[in-house]
Amino acid sequence: QLHLQESGPGLVKPSETLSLTCAVSGALITRTDHNWGWVRQPPGKGLEWIGSIYFSGSPYYNPSLNSRVTISLDPSKNHFSLSLTSVTAADTAIYYCARGIRTGATDSWGPGTLVTVSS
Amino acid sequence: DIHMTQSPSSLSASVGDRVTITCRASQSVDSFLNWYQQRPGEAPKLLIYTTSTLQSGVPSRFSGSGSGTEFTLAISSLQPEDFATYYCQQTSRSPVTFGQGTRLEIK
Repeated sequence: QLHLQESGPGLVKPSETLSLTCAVSGALITRTDHNWGWVRQPPGKGLEWIGSIYFSGSPYYNPSLNSRVTISLDPSKNHFSLSLTSVTAADTAIYYCARGIRTGATDSWGPGTLVTVSS
Repeated sequence: DIHMTQSPSSLSASVGDRVTITCRASQSVDSFLNWYQQRPGEAPKLLIYTTSTLQSGVPSRFSGSGSGTEFTLAISSLQPEDFATYYCQQTSRSPVTFGQGTRLEIK
C-alpha cells in the first residue's frame, strides 16, 4: 500500500525559503516507471502543478515559478523534497506531494500540508 | 501553456441523475487528459486517465470520452458521495495544467 506524507513548517516568512519533504512508503522512488512531484492549492482555489522528477531524468518545473523551485530525490531515505525560494503571500497554499504514472496522471497523493507565508 | 476550461463551473443535481462535465483545451492534448475528484478537506483522487481509462477501484458509473481539444466526464447515476469538485488535467505538454474545477452540488 503506497503512502505519501508531507512534512515541514506550516509558517514561512516573506522572502524566505519554503522547504517540504515527502516521505514515501510502500514503493521505491528509484523505480523508473513513476515520477514524484508537487501540486499546490491556494485556500478555496484550484490546483497548480509545481513540478515533477523521475529518478532517471531531469526535473520539470512550472515556468510560472521561474527559477524559484527545486525538486530533489533522496533514495537513501526514500523521500523527495521541495524548495521554493523568495516566497510571498501568493505562495500560501496547501502543498500536496504526489506520484505520477508514465502517462503523466497522478495516481497517489499525500494528504496535503498548509503552508502560510506571513510575517 | 495549454489552457484548460471546464464547463459548467458549478452544477446542481439530484441523487440518481446523470451529469456531464466538459473540458476544453486551448490546443490538442491528444488523449492525455485526466479527471480528478476532490472532496472538501481531502486530496484529489484520480478517477480517469488518458481520456477514458478508469482508475482501479473507481465505480463504473464514471466514464470519460473525447479527443484532441474536447473531453467529457459523465457520471451515470449520482450517488451521495459523488458531490464534490471535479478537475480535468492535461499531461500532453509541460507545464501540466488543470481546469478551474466544476463544483457538483446537491439540488
